[in-house]
Amino acid sequence: NAGVTQTPKFQVLKTGQSMTLQCAQDMNHEYMSWYRQDPGMGLRLIHYSVGAGITDQGEVPNGYNVSRSTTEDFPLRLLSAAPSQTSVYFCASNPQGLGTEAFFGQGTRLTVV
Amino acid sequence: GDSVTQMEGPVTLSEEAFLTINCTYTATGYPSLFWYVQYPGEGLQLLLKATKADDKGSNKGFEATYRKETTSFHLEKGSVQVSDSAVYFCALSVDSGYSTLTFGKGTMLLVSP
Repeated sequence: NAGVTQTPKFQVLKTGQSMTLQCAQDMNHEYMSWYRQDPGMGLRLIHYSVGAGITDQGEVPNGYNVSRSTTEDFPLRLLSAAPSQTSVYFCASNPQGLGTEAFFGQGTRLTVV
Repeated sequence: GDSVTQMEGPVTLSEEAFLTINCTYTATGYPSLFWYVQYPGEGLQLLLKATKADDKGSNKGFEATYRKETTSFHLEKGSVQVSDSAVYFCALSVDSGYSTLTFGKGTMLLVSP
């Protein structure tokens, strides 16, 4: 049972580059979210989705895009990487609503130089 | 808006000591409350939850009681182990459907032998 799978685990980007963080879940959960984790800041919500084709912005959406073409996949795109986007990114899915128990991936540690 | 305040860490304890990590919240309505744990190099996982006042959540020897009168959800464990070393996050959601989880900043626990 894979749960929530994130790739890659580590990534180094140069300022201005773009990339996509992948997230896939095999639990048939409708609800998925992306968070970033920074020291002393806890987890902050970037974008979320309540089902295929439906996404919305969270607390810190600037510089990121998402799409949800299937129930399983919820990729996060960095359009033009900036050093302020250096962080650990977590994808999560919920079975019964965004405010219920969340299942997290193992995270992607991104460094922008 | 909704918010969660946790005691700052790190909390440093010897094995078999008693643990308390304080968590207080501000929310409109009647939130559900959660404790998540993040072991080194991993994603968050749900430790316990409570959905209404006076409920007690418990798991793996950890307990927390939903106290509406003091807006608190303190985490306790009677005897910690080295393997409990992790970061602990308190979180809330007001509406389990479309309201997202709001996390505290996290408290690091370090347990020495």
